[in-house]
Amino acid sequence: NAGVTQTPKFRVLKTGQSMTLLCAQDMNHEYMYWYRQDPGMGLRLIHYSVGEGTTAKGEVPDGYNVSRLKKQNFLLGLESAAPSQTSVYFCASSPLDRGSWNEQFFGPGTRLTVL
Amino acid sequence: AQSVTQLDSHVSVSEGTPVLLRCNYSSSYSPSLFWYVQHPNKGLQLLLKYTSAATLVKGINGFEAEFKKSETSFHLTKPSAHMSDAAEYFCVVSEGAGTALIFGKGTTLSVSS
Repeated sequence: NAGVTQTPKFRVLKTGQSMTLLCAQDMNHEYMYWYRQDPGMGLRLIHYSVGEGTTAKGEVPDGYNVSRLKKQNFLLGLESAAPSQTSVYFCASSPLDRGSWNEQFFGPGTRLTVL
Repeated sequence: AQSVTQLDSHVSVSEGTPVLLRCNYSSSYSPSLFWYVQHPNKGLQLLLKYTSAATLVKGINGFEAEFKKSETSFHLTKPSAHMSDAAEYFCVVSEGAGTALIFGKGTTLSVSS
């Protein structure tokens, strides 16, 4: 099991460019999440998905879009990157099982710099 | 609304001495609580989780945490620090499956020899 994987690991963009971050999980989890981590802020939820074909906004959704066309994949898009989106992005997944108590499994992160 | 407050942004200890990282939470429901650790330039690793089964929770690498409902606290402890424990630690609260994890701002643990 690879768990949760993210591509790419690093990326540098210029202001206004677009890109897509890919998250994949092989644990058959229903729920998937995108967080961003900024110094002194902990992690904050951008968007999440409770199943294939569904997405919802989190705490800091502005400037991002997501899609969940397949259960195992969750894409995070930046249509027009801004320097304020310089951050480390983490994807996570969790099972539907209520007994899991929402333990989320995290990917290794993508470090994005917007110049 | 849920929230998490980590009371210390930075804790410094000597190797072999006890570690205490403090966390208070606020939740409208019976929450699940977690501690995650992040080593420099690494991802997040789950240390332990509280899920109402027992108030004293044991985790990996000798860490444990005690859930105290009356104090709304979930402090992380370890009897004897090791150099490899130097990292950032996050206290996290959740109100159930499919909801966001709410992270504290983190506590950086430094361990000196």
